[in-house]
Amino acid sequence: GNSVTQMEGPVTLSEEAFLTINCTYTATGYPSLFWYVQYPGEGLQLLLKATKADDKGSNKGFEATYRKETTSFHLEKGSVQVSDSAVYFCALSDTEKLTFGTGTRLTIIP
Amino acid sequence: SQTIHQWPATLVQPVGSPLSLECTVEGTSNPNLYWYRQAAGRGLQLLFYSVGIGQISSEVPQNLSASRPQDWQFILSSKKLLLSDSGFYLCAWSFSDYGYTFGSGTRLTVV
Repeated sequence: GNSVTQMEGPVTLSEEAFLTINCTYTATGYPSLFWYVQYPGEGLQLLLKATKADDKGSNKGFEATYRKETTSFHLEKGSVQVSDSAVYFCALSDTEKLTFGTGTRLTIIP
Repeated sequence: SQTIHQWPATLVQPVGSPLSLECTVEGTSNPNLYWYRQAAGRGLQLLFYSVGIGQISSEVPQNLSASRPQDWQFILSSKKLLLSDSGFYLCAWSFSDYGYTFGSGTRLTVV
C-alpha cells in the first residue's frame, strides 16, 4: 500500500535559518504529493502541492519538488520566520484517499 | 464557493458513552468525504472514507463507525467510547483534482 515517511521532529531553528523537512514516499502509480500545515489549535491547511514528476509546488516562501527518481518531496524555505512555527505534514494522494506522514513539529525562535 | 462544517469543536465524554460527530459540505456535489484522527503526539490516521451515499470504506478496525445518509453529510459514531478514542478528529472532502479541504476539527477527550 501507499506510505509516507517523514523526517522526525521536533525541529527547532533560529529565525532566518534555512529549513529542510525530508519526505519520501512509497506508492503504486503516479500519486499527487502535498504539504499541509497545522498551526497551533487549528485544522489543516494546504501549503503546496505537485501533481507530476519534476513539478515544483510553492507558497509563502516554501518550495518542494516532486522527485520521482528518489521518491521524495522535501520541503524547503530559505529564511524561516517565527510565524512558521507549526506542524508540517507530507501526504500523497491516489485516486481515492490521502495518506499522511507522521508530521514534523517546527519551532522557530527569535 | 465550497465550505465544510464540522462540529462540535470540543467534546468531553465519559468512557462507555456514545459519540456522534457531524460533518457537512456545501457548494459541491458528490464529493469524497473522509474522517481522520490525530492522536496526541502522533500523525494523521485515516479512519473512514466515502465516495458516495451509503458507501463507507473502513481503514482501521475499531469501535467507531461512519455513515453517509446524504451526499453532503458524513457522520462518525461510536456506541461506547474508549479512553483510546481521545484525539483530534478531522473531516475532509475532495472532488476530482480540486484537492482536499479540511474542517476545523473536533477535539475529543474521553474521561
